[in-house]
Amino acid sequence: ETGVTQSPTHLIKTRGQQVTLRCSSQSGHNTVSWYQQALGQGPQFIFQYYREEENGRGNFPPRFSGLQFPNYSSELNVNALELDDSALYLCASSLDPGSGANVLTFGAGSRLTVL
Amino acid sequence: AQSVTQPDIHITVSEGASLELRCNYSYGATPYLFWYVQSPGQGLQLLLKYFSGDTLVQGIKGFEAEFKRSQSSFNLRKPSVHWSDAAEYFCAVGEGFQKLVFGTGTRLLVSP
Repeated sequence: ETGVTQSPTHLIKTRGQQVTLRCSSQSGHNTVSWYQQALGQGPQFIFQYYREEENGRGNFPPRFSGLQFPNYSSELNVNALELDDSALYLCASSLDPGSGANVLTFGAGSRLTVL
Repeated sequence: AQSVTQPDIHITVSEGASLELRCNYSYGATPYLFWYVQSPGQGLQLLLKYFSGDTLVQGIKGFEAEFKRSQSSFNLRKPSVHWSDAAEYFCAVGEGFQKLVFGTGTRLLVSP
């Protein structure tokens, strides 16, 4: 069984640019969540996608958006990048969000640096 | 709102010594509680979870944690630490298993 894979692993952008991060879910998982982990902090929930629809959102502005595709892979898009967006972005997949027995499987993350 | 406090930013433990990492949470209902470990360049790996039943839960790699409702705590323990346990440890709370609020983490250093 393959785990969660994320790309790219590292990238550098400048303020005002846009970025797209990609995530392939673990085989059999249909739910994807994205977390932002700033340096020295714990991960913060951005949003979750289930059956290609947003299924919950944390305290992040609308310039953070996402997509989930029919094969359950996902993208995180961030527009108008700010310096504070520099962080490790973690993708996690899981089974149906309503099933209490399922836990998140995390990828290794994409480290974004905004200059 | 839910919150998690991990009061220790860094902890250094000698190899073979016991370990306890502290976690306090704030949540109105019965919480789902988790401990994750993150090694450099790696994603988060689940060590153990609690959502009901026995308040002492066993996890992987010889870790255990005890849920104490009266103290709003979920401390992680290991009787004998190995050098490979050096990593960052995160406590998390959630309404379910998937929308989690994490603490700021505790970095564990293991001395020879």
